[in-house]
Amino acid sequence: VQLVESGGGVVQAGGSRRLSCAASGMAFNDYIFHWVRQVPGKGLEWLALLSFDETRKSLRGSVIGRFTVSRDTFKKTVYLQMAGLRLEDTAIYFCAANRGDGSFDFWGQGTLVSVSS
Amino acid sequence: SYVLTQPPSVSVAPGKTATITCGGNNIGVESVHWYQHHPGQAPVSLIYYNPDRPSGIPERISGSNSDNTATLTITRVEAGDEADYYCQVWDLNTDSWVFGGGTKLTVL
Repeated sequence: VQLVESGGGVVQAGGSRRLSCAASGMAFNDYIFHWVRQVPGKGLEWLALLSFDETRKSLRGSVIGRFTVSRDTFKKTVYLQMAGLRLEDTAIYFCAANRGDGSFDFWGQGTLVSVSS
Repeated sequence: SYVLTQPPSVSVAPGKTATITCGGNNIGVESVHWYQHHPGQAPVSLIYYNPDRPSGIPERISGSNSDNTATLTITRVEAGDEADYYCQVWDLNTDSWVFGGGTKLTVL
């Protein structure tokens, strides 16, 4: 099982960025996918979840209106679209997967997003 | 929203026992998960549905949960256990997930 994030980089404040999470070696339809970030020097912060059929979609309150999640079942890829980026959004963004309310069994290595002024 | 409170740091000598707590309102009725995170790597699930362990996690790592505190216990601590540890629960009311603030375990 592998989750591979991509799309990180340097972006100016106010800009947009789309992160991707490609899943392999797993039954895509069995899992719920999450985005979690870690701001430098801080702890893990859950951002969003999305089920493969999109019946479950939820976002952290502080990013509602700026971040959205979507998926491409054919590509087995989940996306985090971020807009109106702020300096405080600078973080490593991880993709993770779980079943139901179980623990996040699988994690990617993360992709770094740096927001510059 | 639900809040989980962890001590920022815990220090323990090699071979001793480390105890990391996670406080939450009536957390004893919640399904608590624990993760180990070495900086620069992906987090790893240690305990799920407290106190179950994923395959590959040694028995010296255990979890318990009662009243307002969940506890992660690591016995016979090794240098490789030095990492950040996070507790986590699912907030049913908002269909969102909550992490504790994390505890940095230092092996002296």
